[in-house]
Amino acid sequence: DAKTTQPNSMESNEEEPVHLPCNHSTISGTDYIHWYRQLPSQGPEYVIHGLTSNVNNRMASLAIAEDRKSSTLILHRATLRDAAVYYCILRDVGFGNEKLTFGTGTRLTIIP
Amino acid sequence: GAGVSQTPSNKVTEKGKYVELRCDPISGHTALYWYRQSLGQGPEFLIYFQGTGAADDSGLPNDRFFAVRPEGSVSTLKIQRTERGDSAVYLCASSLIHEPTGFTTGELFFGEGSRLTVL
Repeated sequence: DAKTTQPNSMESNEEEPVHLPCNHSTISGTDYIHWYRQLPSQGPEYVIHGLTSNVNNRMASLAIAEDRKSSTLILHRATLRDAAVYYCILRDVGFGNEKLTFGTGTRLTIIP
Repeated sequence: GAGVSQTPSNKVTEKGKYVELRCDPISGHTALYWYRQSLGQGPEFLIYFQGTGAADDSGLPNDRFFAVRPEGSVSTLKIQRTERGDSAVYLCASSLIHEPTGFTTGELFFGEGSRLTVL
């Protein structure tokens, strides 16, 4: 499986934008980039995913580098409820390979 | 509710005992996953079902672990002869299959997990 590298932790001020980076230099052409987050004492929650183009949804935006070797999850205006561990995951959509392999993620702390 | 339901939420057992953990996926979700998560770690893949069959069981750590999904909905994770190292939160997730491709959509819906403590 292609690997991702994320900072162990980040801090951000409430109501400010947050940019969470992820490096995936060994990404293959069939790897989708997925982001999940996990709030304390809960199961992971899907945030967003993309392949080549930038993606937006109600929760966040995903900016993907042109060479696809890195991506950034953007929370436009952080709230205290965004404090969580954020996981960047590569998913190869080859047949029969449906598992998502989680790393240790980035622990995001929001400062009031 | 309409989410993934896992029972029990907490289970304390003694070393050597047998344990069953149950997962009720979202109605209509053909794909079902089991993960386990130790303190401070990300979730670790165990097994993936598409319908009734285990399409990928490469994450099961040894033959003490087994999972079934006999009717393609509810799944049970079974652990025999539990060991202290099995203590973890066991997470279940379900997903829709994108019919034209046969792949999951990639959007997994997780339950809140079953916390297993082996004394």
